[in-house]
Amino acid sequence: EIVLTQSPGTLSLSPGERATLSCRASQTVPSNYLAWYQQKPGQAPRLLIYFASRRATGIPDRFSGSGSGTDFSLTISSLEPEDFAVYYCQHHGYSPLNFGGGTKVEIK
Amino acid sequence: EVLLVESGGGLVQPGGSLRVSCAASGFPFSSSYMSWVRQAPRRGLEWVANMNQDGSFIDYVDSVKGRFTISRDNAKNSLYLQMNSLSAEDTAVYYCAIGGNYWSSWGQGTLVTVSS
Repeated sequence: EIVLTQSPGTLSLSPGERATLSCRASQTVPSNYLAWYQQKPGQAPRLLIYFASRRATGIPDRFSGSGSGTDFSLTISSLEPEDFAVYYCQHHGYSPLNFGGGTKVEIK
Repeated sequence: EVLLVESGGGLVQPGGSLRVSCAASGFPFSSSYMSWVRQAPRRGLEWVANMNQDGSFIDYVDSVKGRFTISRDNAKNSLYLQMNSLSAEDTAVYYCAIGGNYWSSWGQGTLVTVSS
């Protein structure tokens, strides 16, 4: 079973700043089967990235994913007001399809 | 427009049963892998179960194996989750989502509360 650890737990930034979120796996994620989701209060998660770096349909290019093996990151190049939310990583290689604990990006 | 609408949530006593449903529209449901994902109050996300297009491949997280059953009716564009022997640890919002291993679209969720 792959366990995902996200850091930091909370990231306090201002609009326009760059955000870098980390996701570390307990073992190698095969074939970079790693996804990222955004969740706002009271809403369902939204898929941002899959296969570590592929943007989902309709996702702005300020969101980018990178990494391989056990270390992955999500970067938001310039934070927009609507980007303040909780972000989860998830490996999609094999069961169980675990999520990380989440990183909250809050307004500083 | 893709639409997933969950229903059937509510309050159930420990040890009880509940079936939640998901009505799908706006995409080829019968050609789509489908899943259930849950989120306990103020907690993170947990994948629960998935099912392939014709129901021949099904998988569950260990914590629900033997208690939960995922099913689908392609003629009705509907996905179901039968939950038995419920405990407080099953209290969560249950989301229906498109996909098997990662999820491109989600419903708004239905809240299941297990409490006496």
